[in-house]
Amino acid sequence: DIQMTQSPSSLSASVGDRVTITCRASQDISNYLAWYQQKPGKVPKLLIYAASTLQSGVPSRFSGSGSGTDFTLTISSLQPEDVATYYCQKYNSAPPTFGQGTKVEIK
Amino acid sequence: EVQLVESGGDLVQPGRSLRLSCTASGFTLGDYAMSWFRQAPGKGLEWIGFIRSKAYGGTTEYAASVTGRFTISRDDSKSIAYLQMNSLKTDDTAVYYCTRNRGYSYGYSDYWGQGTLVTVSS
Repeated sequence: DIQMTQSPSSLSASVGDRVTITCRASQDISNYLAWYQQKPGKVPKLLIYAASTLQSGVPSRFSGSGSGTDFTLTISSLQPEDVATYYCQKYNSAPPTFGQGTKVEIK
Repeated sequence: EVQLVESGGDLVQPGRSLRLSCTASGFTLGDYAMSWFRQAPGKGLEWIGFIRSKAYGGTTEYAASVTGRFTISRDDSKSIAYLQMNSLKTDDTAVYYCTRNRGYSYGYSDYWGQGTLVTVSS
């Protein structure tokens, strides 16, 4: 199975900071990568699919990039409402594995 | 408005069975593949399996951890997807989510239900 590894596992940043989360696949997954946001006690929400396509309604401060094995989720200006755990998921083959998650907090 | 509502979660003893339902509204269930995921307390997200639309054969695939014990089915006429769980183990304790699939291959999940809690304990 292809493994998905996220880093860091957690981070603390100030409001307005640029935040970057990375996701690495153990094999080439082309651009079959999605990013989800899960706020505390809430349901996961799709942010980005096909590695870089922003889901409708998602603020433009979120962006995704990458292809192959290395991917990035960037929050250009961190807001208090962005406190959440972020997961990457590959979906090119079974099983559609998630990364272990990155917890984002406000400093 | 697209909505997915899971139901059927409960406290059950190890070895017993449970069936979860996912009722869809706001879209035509038959046009989409549907997935089930779970999240154990304090843990990350785990894919359980999915069912393709009838147009793609309505076939199913499962995670190794549930193969042979869990079965996903669908009744498009009722707009309901099901997750039949047999031989439940304490490790199956989690919040279970159904999702609508989009995109190519196994797809990503653009809508999630609110989840239903399954607790397996004696």
